[in-house]
Amino acid sequence: GNSVTQMEGPVTLSEEAFLTINCTYTATGYPSLFWYVQYPGEGLQLLLKATKADDKGSNKGFEATYRKETTSFHLEKGSVQVSDSAVYFCALLQGAQKLVFGQGTRLTINP
Amino acid sequence: SAVISQKPSRDICQRGTSLTIQCQVDSQVTMMFWYRQQPGQSLTLIATANQGSEATYESGFVIDKFPISRPNLTFSTLTVSNMSPEDSSIYLCSLRAQATNEAFFGQGTRLTVV
Repeated sequence: GNSVTQMEGPVTLSEEAFLTINCTYTATGYPSLFWYVQYPGEGLQLLLKATKADDKGSNKGFEATYRKETTSFHLEKGSVQVSDSAVYFCALLQGAQKLVFGQGTRLTINP
Repeated sequence: SAVISQKPSRDICQRGTSLTIQCQVDSQVTMMFWYRQQPGQSLTLIATANQGSEATYESGFVIDKFPISRPNLTFSTLTVSNMSPEDSSIYLCSLRAQATNEAFFGQGTRLTVV
């Protein structure tokens, strides 16, 4: 079945550092890929998405590129801020099937 | 994007009791879902809430423990029955937009069972 594997956390960085959170997936065909963010005490918010190979999703300085050849959708940001501290979830959706989440990566940014 | 109102936002309950969580959406949606997020874990789908019919439960979840209602296209409830400390989790309501396949989430209900 479909699955998503995320980089183990927690991740701790200093402000203005470069961020990469790895995400790889297993699926047949061409799923849609998502990154969700969960700020402390809140529900999940869609951060960005990509629906086909080579698409790049971007939002709030975050980017992720849908790589079919490596089945990856790594999240990157060039300069993180304290306000980016949250839990990040990679997810995939294929057709009418259920949304499949990775295990989540807790990110802490220190000033 | 849809606005999802979920309540209560948190509760502390005695074991053996039941809690009903409500989810109200500001527009009519076809697909609504209930998830559980255990402490430090990812999201696990409990069931799909079907309007006018019984919910569709995922493996490991049963109607007697998690009865779900969906009387119309904008409202659903999840009940956590006969609670034990193992039920302490965040419960999230979600919907999927048909046109874009994007999923939206309520702010969650943080349940602690003592």
